[in-house]
Amino acid sequence: EVQLVESGGGLVQPGGSLRLSCAASGFTFSSYEMNWVRQAPGKGLEWVSYISSSGSTIYYADSVKGRFTISRDNAKNSLYLQMNSLRAEDTAVYYCARGRYYDSRGYFDYWGQGTLVTVSS
Amino acid sequence: DIQMTQSPSSLSASVGDRVTITCRASQSISSYLNWYQQKPGKAPKLLIYAASSLQSGVPSRFSGSGSGTDFTLTISSLQPEDFATYYCQQSYSTPPAFGQGTKLEIK
Repeated sequence: EVQLVESGGGLVQPGGSLRLSCAASGFTFSSYEMNWVRQAPGKGLEWVSYISSSGSTIYYADSVKGRFTISRDNAKNSLYLQMNSLRAEDTAVYYCARGRYYDSRGYFDYWGQGTLVTVSS
Repeated sequence: DIQMTQSPSSLSASVGDRVTITCRASQSISSYLNWYQQKPGKAPKLLIYAASSLQSGVPSRFSGSGSGTDFTLTISSLQPEDFATYYCQQSYSTPPAFGQGTKLEIK
């Protein structure tokens, strides 16, 4: 059974940092591209970042570029999101999502349960 | 960036009804369109990918159609467990944008 379990969320002050983790199991993690998607309270879904299976290709949403860093450790079956210079508008539930791609385009077939990040003083 | 617009934003329907949700892209995205269902406090769940392909395990009452800029998600006979929020998402280009969501409520 595919499982994605996020951790690392919490309350942080504006300008602070937080590192999210996503532990994967039930599939060959090193063979899949991964993504982070977030959802502000009461709002819709916003894609945040993508990383290829090897980690060699990375993309970010403009809203987090230069502040967030996605990474992965295939030996540990883990995905990470380092979030720096956090702002109030980064407050959201952060989901890790497995990507399935065809013709270099894809969809998110499995999602974790999410971890809440609250940026507030 | 490609913008995705869903209509309606909310919808009231009864068990057994046939329901259609529309998603429009700001430019052609071929068939690179996916649909997700989200229930309160839960993660999104993939229903349809590539505009019309049913994800494994999803009931056949869900179907998707469309290409280019206009797409639809249809639920042929609403069941109690279908009351949720539905999102479309384009995967034609980066960033992979979502629609704003359609909340399906019980009438």
